[in-house]
Amino acid sequence: SSELTQDPAVSVALGQTVRITCQGDGLRNYYASWYQQKPGQAPLLVMYGKNNRPSGIPDRFSGSSSGDTASLTITGAQAEDEADYYCNSRDSSVYLVFGGGTRLTVL
Amino acid sequence: QITLKESGPTLVKPTQTLTLTCTFSGFSLTTSGVGVGWIRQPPGKALEWLALIYWDDDKRYSPSLKSRLTISKDTSKNQVVLTMADMDAADTGTYFCAHFVAAAVNYWFGPWGPGTLVTVSS
Repeated sequence: SSELTQDPAVSVALGQTVRITCQGDGLRNYYASWYQQKPGQAPLLVMYGKNNRPSGIPDRFSGSSSGDTASLTITGAQAEDEADYYCNSRDSSVYLVFGGGTRLTVL
Repeated sequence: QITLKESGPTLVKPTQTLTLTCTFSGFSLTTSGVGVGWIRQPPGKALEWLALIYWDDDKRYSPSLKSRLTISKDTSKNQVVLTMADMDAADTGTYFCAHFVAAAVNYWFGPWGPGTLVTVSS
């Protein structure tokens, strides 16, 4: 399959931990990258590679991967983390592909 | 500091060809491993990768849109141009360009331009 599958919506209580997952065959060979998008804004890279955070991204964001699934974990979610999150990866058939996105609600 | 900005028409008619320009600064598109990609987002929907051009002029396209897309670069002007032929209402959305890095099994977009909204309507 050349798709990346994400749960459409996830919620987390303020200060708790949440994991957002992304599943696809390409993830067996390539790392995912993760993007946060708030309404009316361009996506922002929050994670790439094995577990790399760009400058300015809080350390409550972490990444991991196992088999065909990549995960973005937010430890101690804050109100400002409420956003849509997209994964992206290389794929042997379509070259690059985005997941369908996960809407994170912080309660 | 890397910055990118998209420019082009905000309104195109069905069947017309869309031409978008990404003007960037803060990096060189002659650096190994670097590229510029285009991504679009229909209103209320997910991101969709369209095309990518690498520092060595290698070009990659989304298979579903390949027949309609052309990407090119002008390194002297720090610009990347995307054309999309035969525009349809379904192509309405925000078009983003983004700095891209390919490093072994790691690939990522960032930073992104602010995006430009393109509406297809007669």
